[in-house]
Amino acid sequence: GESVGLHLPTLSVQEGDNSIINCAYSNSASDYFIWYKQESGKGPQFIIDIRSNMDKRQGQRVTVLLNKTVKHLSLQIAATQPGDSAVYFCARGGAGNMLTFGGGTRLMVKP
Amino acid sequence: GAVVSQHPSRVICKSGTSVKIECRSLDFQATTMFWYRQFPKQSLMLMATSNEGSKATYEQGVEKDKFLINHASLTLSTLTVTSAHPEDSSFYICSAEQGPDNEQFFGPGTRLTVL
Repeated sequence: GESVGLHLPTLSVQEGDNSIINCAYSNSASDYFIWYKQESGKGPQFIIDIRSNMDKRQGQRVTVLLNKTVKHLSLQIAATQPGDSAVYFCARGGAGNMLTFGGGTRLMVKP
Repeated sequence: GAVVSQHPSRVICKSGTSVKIECRSLDFQATTMFWYRQFPKQSLMLMATSNEGSKATYEQGVEKDKFLINHASLTLSTLTVTSAHPEDSSFYICSAEQGPDNEQFFGPGTRLTVL
């Protein structure tokens, strides 16, 4: 079956360093991926998305890379700040605009 | 813009009672809303797709008679957990579609605890 999963459940980084969160997917038909940030006790917050016809997309301090050959997605956060501490989910957009979420990675930023 | 609210934010109920959770799009209309469930330290799992004016579409394994969904207007969808049991305790999150790309905007979630 299809799945969207993550390599690392917890990532601890020093404030100011760059963070890289990874995600793997199994459905080759996936054409739309999104990264969400979820703080404790809150709903997911959209960070950035990318379509399958792109390899890279940049936002403010964030970059998403898509490698369709190995079915791998990553989120890079530049100059990580304490406010970036949260759980990050990748999600795949599918039929009917339904989202399939990955397992989540907890990012902990050390001051 | 594109704000989604949920009410209540937290609810504690006794086993066997029913609980209604509301999801509202505050500044836009949403033909389609989604309901998710999230257990502690786990990911979001889609429960059902709520369509305004029609029956909801439930994911495999989700009991439609237990989780009643009503999408009576373009700004409100409700999820009623009927005869709730402790195993229904979870974080329930809704989202609403908006814009030409049908982007999903998420509500803040409702923490349900069934004693």
